[in-house]
Amino acid sequence: EVQLVDSGGGLVPPGGSLRLSCAVSGFRFSSYAMSWVRQAPGKGLEWVSGISTSGGSTYSADSVKGRFTISRDNSRNVLYLQMNNLRADDTAAYYCARGLRGHNFAFDLWGQGTLVTVSS
Amino acid sequence: EIVMTQSPATLSVSPGERATLSCRASQSVSSNLVWYQQKPGQAPRLLFYGASSRATGIPARFSGSGSGTEFTLTISSLQSEDFADYYCQQYNNWPYTFGQGTKLEIK
Repeated sequence: EVQLVDSGGGLVPPGGSLRLSCAVSGFRFSSYAMSWVRQAPGKGLEWVSGISTSGGSTYSADSVKGRFTISRDNSRNVLYLQMNNLRADDTAAYYCARGLRGHNFAFDLWGQGTLVTVSS
Repeated sequence: EIVMTQSPATLSVSPGERATLSCRASQSVSSNLVWYQQKPGQAPRLLFYGASSRATGIPARFSGSGSGTEFTLTISSLQSEDFADYYCQQYNNWPYTFGQGTKLEIK
Protein backbone atom coordinates (compact mmCIF):
# COMPACT_ATOMS: atom_id res chain seq x y z
CA GLU A 1 0.00 0.00 0.00
CA VAL A 2 1.24 3.47 -0.87
CA GLN A 3 1.39 5.44 2.34
CA LEU A 4 3.20 7.91 4.57
CA VAL A 5 3.13 7.38 8.34
CA ASP A 6 4.07 10.37 10.50
CA SER A 7 5.31 9.95 14.05
CA GLY A 8 7.30 11.65 16.79
CA GLY A 9 4.94 14.39 17.92
CA GLY A 10 4.20 15.17 21.53
CA LEU A 11 4.26 17.76 24.30
CA VAL A 12 7.51 19.71 24.64
CA PRO A 13 8.38 22.84 26.67
CA PRO A 14 9.39 26.09 24.98
CA GLY A 15 13.03 25.90 23.92
CA GLY A 16 12.89 22.12 23.66
CA SER A 17 13.59 19.80 20.76
CA LEU A 18 11.73 17.08 18.92
CA ARG A 19 12.41 14.90 15.89
CA LEU A 20 9.57 13.90 13.59
CA SER A 21 9.74 10.89 11.30
CA CYS A 22 7.78 9.91 8.22
CA ALA A 23 7.97 6.26 7.21
CA VAL A 24 7.30 5.64 3.55
CA SER A 25 6.03 2.50 1.87
CA GLY A 26 4.59 1.37 -1.44
CA PHE A 27 6.63 3.58 -3.78
CA ARG A 28 10.21 4.43 -4.70
CA PHE A 29 11.00 7.01 -2.02
CA SER A 30 14.29 8.10 -3.57
CA SER A 31 12.48 9.33 -6.70
CA TYR A 32 10.35 11.94 -4.98
CA ALA A 33 10.97 15.33 -3.41
CA MET A 34 9.38 15.57 0.02
CA SER A 35 8.16 18.29 2.34
CA TRP A 36 6.72 18.99 5.77
CA VAL A 37 3.54 21.07 6.04
CA ARG A 38 1.95 22.15 9.30
CA GLN A 39 -1.45 23.28 10.46
CA ALA A 40 -2.02 25.09 13.75
CA PRO A 41 -5.26 24.13 15.54
CA GLY A 42 -8.23 25.58 13.68
CA LYS A 43 -5.96 27.37 11.20
CA GLY A 44 -4.78 26.99 7.61
CA LEU A 45 -1.86 25.17 6.06
CA GLU A 46 1.76 26.37 6.14
CA TRP A 47 4.62 24.84 4.16
CA VAL A 48 7.59 24.34 6.50
CA SER A 49 10.50 22.60 4.75
CA GLY A 50 11.28 20.67 1.58
CA ILE A 51 14.06 18.39 0.38
CA SER A 52 15.21 17.15 -3.02
CA THR A 53 15.28 13.50 -4.05
CA SER A 54 18.93 13.00 -3.08
CA GLY A 55 18.78 15.21 0.00
CA GLY A 56 21.39 17.51 -1.48
CA SER A 57 19.06 20.51 -1.56
CA THR A 58 16.83 21.69 1.26
CA TYR A 59 14.46 24.62 1.60
CA SER A 60 12.75 26.12 4.64
CA ALA A 61 10.27 28.82 5.48
CA ASP A 62 11.72 31.87 7.19
CA SER A 63 9.63 31.11 10.28
CA VAL A 64 11.68 27.95 10.97
CA LYS A 65 15.01 28.71 9.32
CA GLY A 66 17.92 28.07 11.66
CA ARG A 67 15.72 26.05 14.03
CA PHE A 68 14.31 23.18 11.92
CA THR A 69 16.31 20.79 9.71
CA ILE A 70 14.80 18.47 7.14
CA SER A 71 16.67 15.32 6.12
CA ARG A 72 16.02 11.95 4.55
CA ASP A 73 17.43 8.43 4.59
CA ASN A 74 16.75 6.88 1.21
CA SER A 75 18.15 3.51 2.34
CA ARG A 76 15.57 3.32 5.15
CA ASN A 77 12.73 5.12 3.33
CA VAL A 78 12.33 7.71 6.09
CA LEU A 79 11.94 11.49 6.10
CA TYR A 80 12.87 13.49 9.19
CA LEU A 81 12.28 16.93 10.66
CA GLN A 82 14.58 17.92 13.50
CA MET A 83 12.97 20.77 15.43
CA ASN A 84 15.06 22.77 17.90
CA ASN A 85 14.35 25.84 20.04
CA LEU A 86 10.63 25.23 19.78
CA ARG A 87 8.19 28.08 20.40
CA ALA A 88 4.52 28.19 21.31
CA ASP A 89 3.62 29.24 17.76
CA ASP A 90 5.14 25.99 16.45
CA THR A 91 2.18 24.13 17.98
CA ALA A 92 0.50 22.36 15.07
CA ALA A 93 -0.23 19.10 13.34
CA TYR A 94 2.75 18.30 11.14
CA TYR A 95 2.21 16.43 7.89
CA CYS A 96 4.82 14.90 5.64
CA ALA A 97 3.88 15.24 2.00
CA ARG A 98 5.14 13.78 -1.26
CA GLY A 99 5.92 16.08 -4.17
CA LEU A 100 4.22 15.29 -7.43
CA ARG A 101 6.66 14.14 -10.14
CA GLY A 102 7.53 17.17 -12.22
CA HIS A 103 5.87 19.51 -9.71
CA ASN A 104 8.01 18.97 -6.62
CA PHE A 105 6.10 21.30 -4.33
CA ALA A 106 2.59 20.21 -5.30
CA PHE A 107 1.70 17.45 -2.85
CA ASP A 108 -0.15 14.36 -4.02
CA LEU A 109 0.25 12.12 -0.97
CA TRP A 110 0.06 13.10 2.69
CA GLY A 111 0.72 11.44 6.01
CA GLN A 112 -1.95 11.36 8.67
CA GLY A 113 -0.21 14.08 10.68
CA THR A 114 1.50 14.12 14.06
CA LEU A 115 0.61 16.71 16.70
CA VAL A 116 3.31 18.87 18.26
CA THR A 117 2.33 20.90 21.31
CA VAL A 118 4.79 23.42 22.70
CA SER A 119 3.80 24.41 26.21
CA SER A 120 5.20 24.62 29.70
CA GLU B 1 6.61 36.21 -0.47
CA ILE B 2 3.60 35.60 -2.68
CA VAL B 3 0.34 36.13 -0.81
CA MET B 4 -2.55 33.89 -1.81
CA THR B 5 -6.03 35.25 -1.08
CA GLN B 6 -9.10 33.02 -1.25
CA SER B 7 -12.69 34.19 -1.45
CA PRO B 8 -15.14 33.88 0.01
CA ALA B 9 -14.00 32.70 3.44
CA THR B 10 -17.26 30.76 3.81
CA LEU B 11 -19.60 29.68 1.03
CA SER B 12 -23.09 28.31 1.77
CA VAL B 13 -24.56 26.27 -1.06
CA SER B 14 -27.37 23.74 -1.35
CA PRO B 15 -26.68 20.18 -2.53
CA GLY B 16 -27.03 19.89 -6.28
CA GLU B 17 -26.10 23.51 -6.89
CA ARG B 18 -22.87 24.92 -8.33
CA ALA B 19 -20.07 26.28 -6.16
CA THR B 20 -17.38 28.66 -7.38
CA LEU B 21 -14.29 29.30 -5.24
CA SER B 22 -11.68 31.93 -6.07
CA CYS B 23 -7.96 32.25 -5.40
CA ARG B 24 -5.85 35.29 -6.19
CA ALA B 25 -2.06 35.58 -6.12
CA SER B 26 -0.26 38.80 -5.24
CA GLN B 27 1.97 38.27 -8.30
CA SER B 28 1.96 35.88 -11.21
CA VAL B 29 2.46 32.20 -10.41
CA SER B 30 1.99 31.12 -14.03
CA SER B 31 -0.01 27.87 -13.84
CA ASN B 32 1.88 26.56 -10.81
CA LEU B 33 -1.14 26.33 -8.57
CA VAL B 34 -2.83 23.45 -6.76
CA TRP B 35 -6.16 22.98 -5.03
CA TYR B 36 -6.67 20.74 -2.00
CA GLN B 37 -9.76 19.54 -0.19
CA GLN B 38 -9.60 18.91 3.55
CA LYS B 39 -12.25 17.34 5.76
CA PRO B 40 -12.21 17.58 9.58
CA GLY B 41 -9.58 15.38 11.17
CA GLN B 42 -8.10 14.38 7.81
CA ALA B 43 -5.04 15.29 5.79
CA PRO B 44 -5.51 17.42 2.68
CA ARG B 45 -6.32 15.71 -0.61
CA LEU B 46 -4.94 16.92 -3.92
CA LEU B 47 -7.64 17.97 -6.38
CA PHE B 48 -5.77 19.85 -9.13
CA TYR B 49 -2.21 20.68 -10.05
CA GLY B 50 -0.97 22.94 -12.81
CA ALA B 51 -4.17 24.94 -12.13
CA SER B 52 -6.38 22.68 -14.24
CA SER B 53 -4.98 19.12 -14.29
CA ARG B 54 -7.28 16.87 -12.30
CA ALA B 55 -5.55 14.54 -9.85
CA THR B 56 -6.15 10.80 -9.92
CA GLY B 57 -9.61 9.80 -8.75
CA ILE B 58 -11.12 13.29 -8.65
CA PRO B 59 -14.68 13.33 -10.07
CA ALA B 60 -15.44 15.22 -13.24
CA ARG B 61 -17.84 17.57 -11.43
CA PHE B 62 -14.71 19.33 -10.14
CA SER B 63 -12.90 21.71 -12.52
CA GLY B 64 -9.99 24.08 -12.11
CA SER B 65 -9.09 27.07 -14.25
CA GLY B 66 -6.98 30.19 -14.43
CA SER B 67 -3.40 31.33 -14.81
CA GLY B 68 -1.22 34.20 -13.72
CA THR B 69 -2.94 35.69 -10.68
CA GLU B 70 -6.58 34.58 -10.90
CA PHE B 71 -7.77 31.01 -10.34
CA THR B 72 -11.11 29.31 -9.90
CA LEU B 73 -12.28 25.97 -8.54
CA THR B 74 -15.78 25.01 -9.64
CA ILE B 75 -17.92 22.15 -8.38
CA SER B 76 -20.77 21.74 -10.84
CA SER B 77 -23.33 19.86 -8.73
CA LEU B 78 -22.53 19.61 -5.05
CA GLN B 79 -22.70 16.23 -3.38
CA SER B 80 -22.83 15.75 0.39
CA GLU B 81 -19.21 14.59 0.48
CA ASP B 82 -18.00 17.84 -1.12
CA PHE B 83 -18.71 19.99 1.93
CA ALA B 84 -15.23 20.64 3.31
CA ASP B 85 -12.42 23.18 3.46
CA TYR B 86 -10.60 24.04 0.23
CA TYR B 87 -7.12 25.50 -0.07
CA CYS B 88 -5.12 26.82 -2.98
CA GLN B 89 -1.31 26.81 -2.95
CA GLN B 90 1.27 28.27 -5.31
CA TYR B 91 4.45 26.37 -6.07
CA ASN B 92 5.98 28.83 -8.51
CA ASN B 93 8.22 30.59 -5.99
CA TRP B 94 9.77 29.77 -2.62
CA PRO B 95 8.28 30.00 -0.03
CA TYR B 96 5.39 27.87 -1.26
CA THR B 97 2.37 29.63 0.14
CA PHE B 98 -1.22 28.61 0.80
CA GLY B 99 -4.40 30.61 0.76
CA GLN B 100 -6.27 30.93 4.04
CA GLY B 101 -8.98 28.54 2.85
CA THR B 102 -12.65 28.56 1.90
CA LYS B 103 -15.13 26.66 4.04
CA LEU B 104 -17.86 25.16 1.86
CA GLU B 105 -20.91 24.51 3.99
CA ILE B 106 -24.39 23.19 3.45
CA LYS B 107 -27.06 25.84 3.01
